[in-house]
Amino acid sequence: GAGVSQSPSNKVTEKGKDVELRCDPISGHTALYWYRQRLGQGLEFLIYFQGNSAPDKSGLPSDRFSAERTGESVSTLTIQRTQQEDSAVYLCASSLNGLNEQFFGPGTRLTVL
Amino acid sequence: GQSLEQPSEVTAVEGAIVQINCTYQTSGFYGLSWYQQHDGGAPTFLSYNGLDGLEETGRFSSFLSRSDSYGYLLLQELQMKDSASYFCAVATNAGKSTFGDGTTLTVKP
Repeated sequence: GAGVSQSPSNKVTEKGKDVELRCDPISGHTALYWYRQRLGQGLEFLIYFQGNSAPDKSGLPSDRFSAERTGESVSTLTIQRTQQEDSAVYLCASSLNGLNEQFFGPGTRLTVL
Repeated sequence: GQSLEQPSEVTAVEGAIVQINCTYQTSGFYGLSWYQQHDGGAPTFLSYNGLDGLEETGRFSSFLSRSDSYGYLLLQELQMKDSASYFCAVATNAGKSTFGDGTTLTVKP
């Protein structure tokens, strides 16, 4: 079946603009994660959705970052007033129930000029 | 919160065995996972330990000691294609996962 998909694959934007990144998880997976990975760095946890529970937003670096998820389906990560330090690959992953292996999408490479 | 430590770089030759260690601190520990990431690619799942002991999957094995808050990934019969970054990740019983900073493995001929 289909894996996790993300769009766009690449996004170049100007400082100060808002961007919206999309993630389509594997059907039936109740858990969805967003991570940020800067060049040569590890995965930085941003936010975690599990079913209908309140999301764990403890990793969002500032109030410019927000994310939503529609039920157990698509999620969008929004970054407002982008800054150059937001440049990174944003990875989405889904998991059957949050306690199993995570399946990662190909990521969105964001470049803020 | 959670924290993990793993070596930043490891180098080995083809055919050798290499061990990548991971120590962690967390509350509500549920399990330890390992992921592989090639340059420009997405992380892919390798192995999971929820209980103490060794899990073997082909050339890869992973070990966990919950009492020592320690685990390792063992790669045998190294191949050039194993050159990649390897991440340990701690999952809590709330489902949240925290990843280490990764270990870059370079396999030389």
